[in-house]
Amino acid sequence: NAGVTQTPKFQVLKTGQSMTLQCAQDMNHEYMSWYRQDPGMGLRLIHYSVGAGITDQGEVPNGYNVSRSTTEDFPLRLLSAAPSQTSVYFCASSYQTGFRANVLTFGAGSRLTVL
Amino acid sequence: AQSVTQLDSHVSVSEGTPVLLRCNYSSSYSPSLFWYVQHPNKGLQLLLKYTSAATLVKGINGFEAEFKKSETSFHLTKPSAHMSDAAEYFCVVSSPGGKLIFGQGTELSVKP
Repeated sequence: NAGVTQTPKFQVLKTGQSMTLQCAQDMNHEYMSWYRQDPGMGLRLIHYSVGAGITDQGEVPNGYNVSRSTTEDFPLRLLSAAPSQTSVYFCASSYQTGFRANVLTFGAGSRLTVL
Repeated sequence: AQSVTQLDSHVSVSEGTPVLLRCNYSSSYSPSLFWYVQHPNKGLQLLLKYTSAATLVKGINGFEAEFKKSETSFHLTKPSAHMSDAAEYFCVVSSPGGKLIFGQGTELSVKP
């Protein structure tokens, strides 16, 4: 089925470790983004991309790195994990990037715990 | 700047009774507004969207929302709650360039 695929679904890290959350979509969407979800705070944008080779920072980019070498893939890298990065991470994509157009398709989420 | 406030963090209704989830927004531009639903341990799914056409917007599963510019509101309603409606609901405003600003979420509980 077409959609957004995130891996892994669950991950436990120790403080200081690094890891990559993978995100892939097969809908030829130009726009891809990463959010983190924390209780009582809604979803906050970490990084986003409007096309291959183009990335930009969102609300809470510190401690995270992204790249977009292909239209399909948008991995999120945690450089040195901290307990404050314990969260549920969602990848989302959309076909259009304009002001009025952004209906997002979400992945199922990746739950990360940093000890 | 754009912002969105969901006025209730938790709403509890009985099955078969109406649902009202409240959302106020702030926007320097004519906004696009969305409601997304998140069922437990799932990703978010679009319920409905407003993009300056009809002010009453119908969505999936019997939900609808009315855009009221004078009140800067975009409340979500459903005439009769079903057990399967229990979920978290997010009101979202689109900023220039397409970034989405999410509200804090409202958890809807439905009692039998």
